Amino acid sequence: DGGITQSPKYLFRKEGQNVTLSCEQNLNHDAMYWYRQDPGQGLRLIYYSQIVNDFQKGDIAEGYSVSREKKESFPLTVTSAQKNPTAFYLCASRDQGYGNTIYFGEGSWLTVV
Amino acid sequence: DQQVKQNSPSLSVQEGRISILNCDYTNSMFDYFLWYKKYPAEGPTFLISISSIKDKNEDGRFTVFLNKSAKHLSLHIVPSQPGDSAVYFCAASAGNYGQNFVFGPGTRLSVLP
Repeated sequence: DGGITQSPKYLFRKEGQNVTLSCEQNLNHDAMYWYRQDPGQGLRLIYYSQIVNDFQKGDIAEGYSVSREKKESFPLTVTSAQKNPTAFYLCASRDQGYGNTIYFGEGSWLTVV
Repeated sequence: DQQVKQNSPSLSVQEGRISILNCDYTNSMFDYFLWYKKYPAEGPTFLISISSIKDKNEDGRFTVFLNKSAKHLSLHIVPSQPGDSAVYFCAASAGNYGQNFVFGPGTRLSVLP
């Protein structure tokens, strides 16, 4: 089945550690996105990528890094520089072009302990 | 400043009645709009979309209305069902190639049996 797979679903991290969230899609979409959701808030864009080996900062990129070495993969690293990393992280993808819907993975919960 | 606003954080509706969720936007360049439904700890699922060349789009129990002059859109759910209880996000894009989407903060809908 086509879709977006995020892993792990739940992750605990000690303060000062980097952690990487995986996102894989088999929809053959060019564009991929990472969003963050905090309790009671909407989705905020961290990074997005329109094509392999290219990515752009979103509204809240500080403390995060990404790579896009393959079309189907867009991992997100939450670094120790991210001051408040505990949140629900959502990966998404979309076909390029006007009018195409953005599809989401199931999300990953990151908790800093 | 929020470009996409959902001014009602929550809404309660009786089963079988109409649910009306509202969304306002400030960026006049937005020309494509989507509604998503989200359950806790899951990724948002796409419901319905509308482009600025239309003022209404219908899909089963869901209808989206767009008023471009007022920069306002609304999602109507008729009849409402208990399974519709979720958080609803509206999202907007400027329709450019690879443009990212801006999400509103969401409205929590509770459908009471």
